[in-house]
Amino acid sequence: EVQLLESGGGLVQPGGSLTLSCVVSGFTAKDNYMTWVRQAPGKGLEWVSVIDSGGFTNYADSVKGRFIMSRDNSRNTLYLRINSLRAEDTAVYYCARGRTTLTTYPYLQHWGQGTLVTVSS
Amino acid sequence: DIQLTQSPSFLSASVGDRVTISCRASQDIGRYLVWYQQKPGKAPKLLIYAALNLESGVPSRFSGSGSGTEFTLTINGLQPEDLATYYCQQVDNYPSSFGGGTKVEIK
Repeated sequence: EVQLLESGGGLVQPGGSLTLSCVVSGFTAKDNYMTWVRQAPGKGLEWVSVIDSGGFTNYADSVKGRFIMSRDNSRNTLYLRINSLRAEDTAVYYCARGRTTLTTYPYLQHWGQGTLVTVSS
Repeated sequence: DIQLTQSPSFLSASVGDRVTISCRASQDIGRYLVWYQQKPGKAPKLLIYAALNLESGVPSRFSGSGSGTEFTLTINGLQPEDLATYYCQQVDNYPSSFGGGTKVEIK
């Protein structure tokens, strides 16, 4: 069974840093596109970042330079390092497994339950 | 970057109705469009990929159409369990992007 389990969210002060984790099971993360998507309270979905099987990453303009996505193949785990946190980064952060059937870039087949990051003093 | 505009942002319909949701892209994205359903308090769920392909296990009352810049999600025979917000996503290029969402209410 495919499962994705995010953790690491919490209350953080503006300017602080946080690392989110996503442990996956039922498949091998390093062989798949993996993506982070966030959702501010009461708002829509926002694509954040992606990592492919070769380790190539891409980021939304809104987080480029502050967010770093990485992967630990031995732990089948994804990470999202978030630096210089701002109030507008407050959101539920989802990790998701991508698929490219009939597409060049990945869409999101399996999702975790999300972890909430709150940025506030 | 590619922008997606969904309409309407909210709709209210009765059980059994045919519901259509539109998604317009700011440039030609071929058929690289996906639809998701998000129920309250839950993660999104994949419904349609590559504009018109139904994901396995998704009821056949859901269908997608369109190409280029204009896309439509149709629900033929709305059911109570279809209460949700629906999002389109373009996967034509990075950065990927989502539409603003359409919240569907059951009358």
